[in-house]
Amino acid sequence: NAGVTQTPKFQVLKTGQSMTLQCAQDMNHEYMSWYRQDPGMGLRLIHYSVGAGITDQGEVPNGYNVSRSTTEDFPLRLLSAAPSQTSVYFCASTRLRGQLGTEAFFGQGTRLTVV
Amino acid sequence: ELKVEQNPLFLSMQEGKNYTIYCNYSTTSDRLYWYRQDPGKSLESLFVLLSNGAVKQEGRLMASLDTKARLSTLHITAAVHDLSATYFCAVVAGTASKLTFGTGTRLQVTL
Repeated sequence: NAGVTQTPKFQVLKTGQSMTLQCAQDMNHEYMSWYRQDPGMGLRLIHYSVGAGITDQGEVPNGYNVSRSTTEDFPLRLLSAAPSQTSVYFCASTRLRGQLGTEAFFGQGTRLTVV
Repeated sequence: ELKVEQNPLFLSMQEGKNYTIYCNYSTTSDRLYWYRQDPGKSLESLFVLLSNGAVKQEGRLMASLDTKARLSTLHITAAVHDLSATYFCAVVAGTASKLTFGTGTRLQVTL
């Protein structure tokens, strides 16, 4: 059981380049999210999805696009990379457990540097 | 807008000592989570607190939730070096998948 798989683990981009961070989960969860982690700021929500075909913006969506064509995959696209997007990116897949709350499973992260 | 504050941001403590990390949040929520993150690693779920007065314990860590005060605490008892990590609290408000995280507390346990 792979859980949440993110690729790549590391990436260096030049300013203005575009790229896609991949995220796949094999747990059949409806909810998936992307966060970025910056020193001293915790994790901040970029975009999220409550099911295939449905996405919405989080706290810091500018410069990023997402799509959710299948339950399993939730790619994050950087349209034109900027140094301010240097960060560690985490994808999460969330299971609803009714009165037991939710349980989020995180990928291993992608460390992105924009030069 | 939901805001989650943790303090302290950094904590250096000796082995064997006790300490508490605090997590305050700004709007009503009855679901609070604690995570641990080791350097360069992903987040590991520690506790889920779902109601006022909830208390969970695992080893030397104990978490509690006071929804009226909008406060959760993570208490460390007789710290050991293996507890060195960054600890995050996170609160859910509204849509189930939207976790709002605190800034994290970096804990360093020294001999």
